[in-house]
Amino acid sequence: DTEVTQTPKHLVMGMTNKKSLKCEQHMGHRAMYWYKQKAKKPPELMFVYSYEKLSINESVPSRFSPECPNSSLLNLHLHALQPEDSALYLCASSPILENTQYFGPGTRLTVL
Amino acid sequence: RKEVEQDPGPFNVPEGATVAFNCTYSNSASQSFFWYRQDCRKEPKLLMSVYSSGNEDGRFTAQLNRASQYISLLIRDSKLSDSATYLCVVNMGTNFGNEKLTFGTGTRLTIIP
Repeated sequence: DTEVTQTPKHLVMGMTNKKSLKCEQHMGHRAMYWYKQKAKKPPELMFVYSYEKLSINESVPSRFSPECPNSSLLNLHLHALQPEDSALYLCASSPILENTQYFGPGTRLTVL
Repeated sequence: RKEVEQDPGPFNVPEGATVAFNCTYSNSASQSFFWYRQDCRKEPKLLMSVYSSGNEDGRFTAQLNRASQYISLLIRDSKLSDSATYLCVVNMGTNFGNEKLTFGTGTRLTIIP
């Protein structure tokens, strides 16, 4: 079963708030990803974790802070966001020796 | 030139028809290729990987032409449930943990009853 779960489904936050997005998979995948998707645009890669270590940061502003506490869990900590950060945030994972990525349902974030 | 280019459509096609999408990519070192579909306000779902030898999965056929840096997707006997945005995706990473999926802008398909 290729299932990646994300919580919360929806999040509304003010520009001074601190919040976190959570992503979980129990498929033994050792690479996990964060993407940002704006309306009518394709997903854009933000971060890649490989074996719980950050391997790619696509020059994402520091107000987004990723964390990978263990091989099943990926967090995205949010602080002092801007209204233009409102988007669908997608998490994905992929198994070892296979570069196919499986996406979670996403968190729809609105920054007021 | 965009890294992955697709015709955005929309493609409005009658049920039962055959429809084809094309995609070009700019990086000749790209390693792997995929088609994903994305329904409105949902996550992308893997439709199929694309291999140089071509591959088929039921009504769907994907082709890769490395020399021309071109990928295609053919849908036969289209169903209403095929209505979605189809994303051409290229992996420009070179090894595990270094994958960088680059998405095309997507092609919007609507199947008309």
